[in-house]
Amino acid sequence: QVQLQESGPGLVKPSGTLSLTCTVSGGSITDNPFYWVWIRQPPGKGLEWIGTVSYSGRTFHSPSLESRVTVSADTSKNQFSLKFRSVTAADTAVYYCAKSSGEMATIRDAFDIWGQGTTVTVSS
Amino acid sequence: QSVLTQPPSASGTPGQRVTISCSGSSSNIGNNYVNWYQRLPGTAPKLLIYKNNQRPSGVPDRFSGSKSGTSASLAISGLRSEDEADYYCSGWDDSLSGHVFGTGTKVTVL
Repeated sequence: QVQLQESGPGLVKPSGTLSLTCTVSGGSITDNPFYWVWIRQPPGKGLEWIGTVSYSGRTFHSPSLESRVTVSADTSKNQFSLKFRSVTAADTAVYYCAKSSGEMATIRDAFDIWGQGTTVTVSS
Repeated sequence: QSVLTQPPSASGTPGQRVTISCSGSSSNIGNNYVNWYQRLPGTAPKLLIYKNNQRPSGVPDRFSGSKSGTSASLAISGLRSEDEADYYCSGWDDSLSGHVFGTGTKVTVL
């Protein structure tokens, strides 16, 4: 069974860069046809898709966040990462990594496995 | 921020049936599958329904999903206290070229 675990600093200063890593166990991030996803939930708000990296390394980003976000994969460590530049208090959220189900073998697949989430606070 | 609209809350007594709606548009629900997630307090979201009405292994058949046009629904029959959670609909949006989520519905068991 695939398991995901987020890691990274819990506090980031305004205008800084938020960097998170998701470590995958029980499977490989190069396994076809899975996609590896970052999602966040600000306090009191709903879920928001941030970006996705495919099993082949292709990346997709939310258009509203694209200018500040980079999603990437490190196959040697079986990890995928999120970098979020120029953060503000509005980027304070619980950040989740997740795996696509592979049901349709496209980026449109549902997310069947989630990490426990990590809380990131943007504050000086 | 949320493209899909859900009622903020729903409630019922144990054993009752509760239905949650999810309203979208032709670029998301109207042309793509709908998925539903359950987020119990203090835990990560869990996939409840995918491809409109399919249940992952281990999800009780008390949970069912449906879709018609640009709207979808999640029904919980035989409501139990452990069903108290936040529920989110989700899917792909062709216009935004990305995944979108609903505003979320908090289900309370009275």
